[in-house]
Amino acid sequence: DAGVIQSPRHEVTEMGQEVTLRCKPISGHDYLFWYRQTMMRGLELLIYFNNNVPIDDSGMPEDRFSAKMPNASFSTLKIQPSEPRDSAVYFCASSFGGASGNQPQHFGDGTRLSIL
Amino acid sequence: GENVEQHPSTLSVQEGDSAVIKCTYSDSASNYFPWYKQELGKGPQLIIDIRSNVGEKKDQRIAVTLNKTAKHFSLHITETQPEDSAVYFCAAQGPNTGNQFYFGTGTSLTVIP
Repeated sequence: DAGVIQSPRHEVTEMGQEVTLRCKPISGHDYLFWYRQTMMRGLELLIYFNNNVPIDDSGMPEDRFSAKMPNASFSTLKIQPSEPRDSAVYFCASSFGGASGNQPQHFGDGTRLSIL
Repeated sequence: GENVEQHPSTLSVQEGDSAVIKCTYSDSASNYFPWYKQELGKGPQLIIDIRSNVGEKKDQRIAVTLNKTAKHFSLHITETQPEDSAVYFCAAQGPNTGNQFYFGTGTSLTVIP
């Protein structure tokens, strides 16, 4: 069974450019999470979806960040315009909510983003 | 909301020794506690989890213990091997967290051959 798939694995771009990160969750999972990881802040939850609907976006740092989930098998995280402080590793994770929750999240291998 | 603290931040052990990582949580309603291992260049991978209706769970060389009264849980790795070197994260989830995980800050474990 394929795990969570993220693309691209690495992205290097110049400040001011638009960046789009992509995620394909595990089939059958109804929750999707976007995280950002840096040395200074650790793992930060940016936003999560349930059944393609955004539930909590309080972790999204600014209006420059937006996320969509047009269907159950695809999500994007977009940064426009990008800034050097956005450099980090971005992870997507998915899980199956189940009747009582308490199910593990499965992570992709991340996108390493560098903004010059 | 939930607050998870993790100690130590770095840990070095000799190969074959045991390693223990400890986490505390603040919300007594939290009832699910997964542990993740993150190797360089990869995403966190689930290695073991425990639910609040049990006090201990074992999987080969890895065990997790939970003390609900004290609100802390620990990861125990016995007979450590160099391939156990990685960053380990604990997390907590419960009915008050909206299916979110609250992660600890991570422990960088180095096993010295």
